[in-house]
Amino acid sequence: EVQLVQSGAEVKKPGATVKISCKVSGYTFTDYYMHWVQQAPGKGLEWMGLVDPEDGETIYAEKFQGRVTITADTSTDTAYMELSSLRSEDTAVYYCATDSGPWGQGTLVTVSS
Amino acid sequence: NFMLTQPHSVSESPGKTVTISCTRSSGSIASNYVQWYQQRPGSSPTTVIYEDNQRPSGVPDRFSGSIDSSSNSASLTISGLKTEDEADYYCQSYDSSNHRVFGGGTKLTVL
Repeated sequence: EVQLVQSGAEVKKPGATVKISCKVSGYTFTDYYMHWVQQAPGKGLEWMGLVDPEDGETIYAEKFQGRVTITADTSTDTAYMELSSLRSEDTAVYYCATDSGPWGQGTLVTVSS
Repeated sequence: NFMLTQPHSVSESPGKTVTISCTRSSGSIASNYVQWYQQRPGSSPTTVIYEDNQRPSGVPDRFSGSIDSSSNSASLTISGLKTEDEADYYCQSYDSSNHRVFGGGTKLTVL
């Protein structure tokens, strides 16, 4: 069974950095891009960027460029998303996902002073 | 970049068929695959259609996807509606630089 399991909820102060993990199982990690998606409370889905686990190449959405870093560790079949300079508007659920398969369960990040 | 426009909401009765549209603002809808995701309340999204019209294993054949170049849009059709189909549905596609774009989402009510 294909599974994407994300790390737990985080509470951060404005200006801090958060790093979320997404461990995959049930398929070959390097076969598919891994995407990260933001969903603010009551809002739609917003694409943040992707990593190609095969070579580590990344592509970021313009909105998050400069603040987001997405990486993939093929030794542990885990993808990571790091978001820096957090502000209240970054309070959201963050998902890892492949294009054609399952999504992670989501990680709630709350940014509050 | 381009936008994907979906109706804000649709509603239909159990057993009926509903179609949700997703119109691409610029560039050809046929140039890049379209995916569709279902998000039930309080749950993470799941993939119901990928590569325009492919169903992941476990997704019932009541779900189908298509594209129409004449209207530059993609469609998700759900037949034999069940109350469990009530959810938000999002289309997604990408550009030549591999940037993904999501539609704004459509709330499906089955009443």
